[in-house]
Amino acid sequence: KAGVTQTPRYLIKTRGQQVTLSCSPISGHRSVSWYQQTPGQGLQFLFEYFSETQRNKGNFPGRFSGRQFSNSRSEMNVSTLELGDSALYLCASTTGGTRGEQFFGPGTRLTVL
Amino acid sequence: AQSVSQHNHHVILSEAASLELGCNYSYGGTVNLFWYVQYPGQHLQLLLKYFSGDPLVKGIKGFEAEFIKSKFSFNLRKPSVQWSDTAEYFCAVIANAGNMLTFGGGTRLMVKP
Repeated sequence: KAGVTQTPRYLIKTRGQQVTLSCSPISGHRSVSWYQQTPGQGLQFLFEYFSETQRNKGNFPGRFSGRQFSNSRSEMNVSTLELGDSALYLCASTTGGTRGEQFFGPGTRLTVL
Repeated sequence: AQSVSQHNHHVILSEAASLELGCNYSYGGTVNLFWYVQYPGQHLQLLLKYFSGDPLVKGIKGFEAEFIKSKFSFNLRKPSVQWSDTAEYFCAVIANAGNMLTFGGGTRLMVKP
């Protein structure tokens, strides 16, 4: 089975721009979660989508949003980018139950200049 | 809200030394517990997990962890580390419905050959 894939792998943007990141879960997985990883704040949960609905949301401003499509693929969007948004954004998928083992993708490295 | 603490930020060991990484969480209810590892340049991988039952769980690559409910701890152990164990290790919990992982700050392990 193919693992979780994320595109693009690297991205450079400037302040004020917006960005869309994509995640394709493992085949058959219906839950997709997003995390932000930075040296200062570590790994922080952004949101989880299951069956095209947001099931959980972390403590991030409204500039961070996401969605999930009927094929379980997910996108996250960050609008009005700030320097502090520079991070590795990780996507994880699981079958769809709760409290389960999650499988992580390689991440998208976003640099905001 | 739940939180996870990892006591050691950086650990340096020689090959064949024993390893114990501490992890404590704050949540009074039922939790699922995980240890993830991030090797240099690679994505997060699951080492082991605890959902219920025997509090001593065994994972991949010779790692094990012990859940002590009274101490809110889930420490990771390995009797004899190898150079290839050099990585960053993350303890994580899920305490509510869904799949929101709360991570500890991580421990960077360097194993000297």
